[in-house]
Amino acid sequence: GQQLNQSPQSMFIQEGEDVSMNCTSSSIFNTWLWYKQDPGEGPVLLIALYKAGELTSNGRLTAQFGITRKDSFLNISASIPSDVGIYFCAGFYTGANSKLTFGKGITLSVRP
Amino acid sequence: SAVISQKPSRDICQRGTSLTIQCQVDSQVTMMFWYRQQPGQSLTLIATANQGSEATYESGFVIDKFPISRPNLTFSTLTVSNMSPEDSSIYLCSVVPGAADQPQHFGDGTRLSIL
Repeated sequence: GQQLNQSPQSMFIQEGEDVSMNCTSSSIFNTWLWYKQDPGEGPVLLIALYKAGELTSNGRLTAQFGITRKDSFLNISASIPSDVGIYFCAGFYTGANSKLTFGKGITLSVRP
Repeated sequence: SAVISQKPSRDICQRGTSLTIQCQVDSQVTMMFWYRQQPGQSLTLIATANQGSEATYESGFVIDKFPISRPNLTFSTLTVSNMSPEDSSIYLCSVVPGAADQPQHFGDGTRLSIL
């Protein structure tokens, strides 16, 4: 079945630094989503991408839908302590019985 | 986006018992899903909750173990039956508020521990 690869499993950065996360797929999607999960909560949608090459921002977050439709990245600029959490990429291909496929997530730690 | 409420938020249960988790949405939604998130893992789809008909289960999940109801467009339940320690997980409800190709939004989950 479809798989999404997110690595590394954990990232440690200094407050104020920028960080980039990548997500790759073995097959194409026509929607890429990025979620963040804080401890004790459900995943919260950060950014949705619907078109190959699309670049979308949400505050300090920027995400891009790869041209090949098999990858996406998320950038966080000027990190702050509340950026700590697990970041999941997810891909979706519209169609009958289509399902959302999740990556394994990247745990981000921000050192003050 | 829709406000999704899950109950209970957490529970500790004895093995062999069953627990029903509720998911209530503040508006009618087209699609509702149930996921499992095992400790330190990603989200795995259990089933799609279909309004007025039987849920559609993913490979590895069966109705006898995870019966699901969806009596209307705002409410669904997931029952975890005959629980064992391996069922200790977070169970999450998600919804698609609008068209089927729109992103899913998640509730805060039910943290279940089985002793």
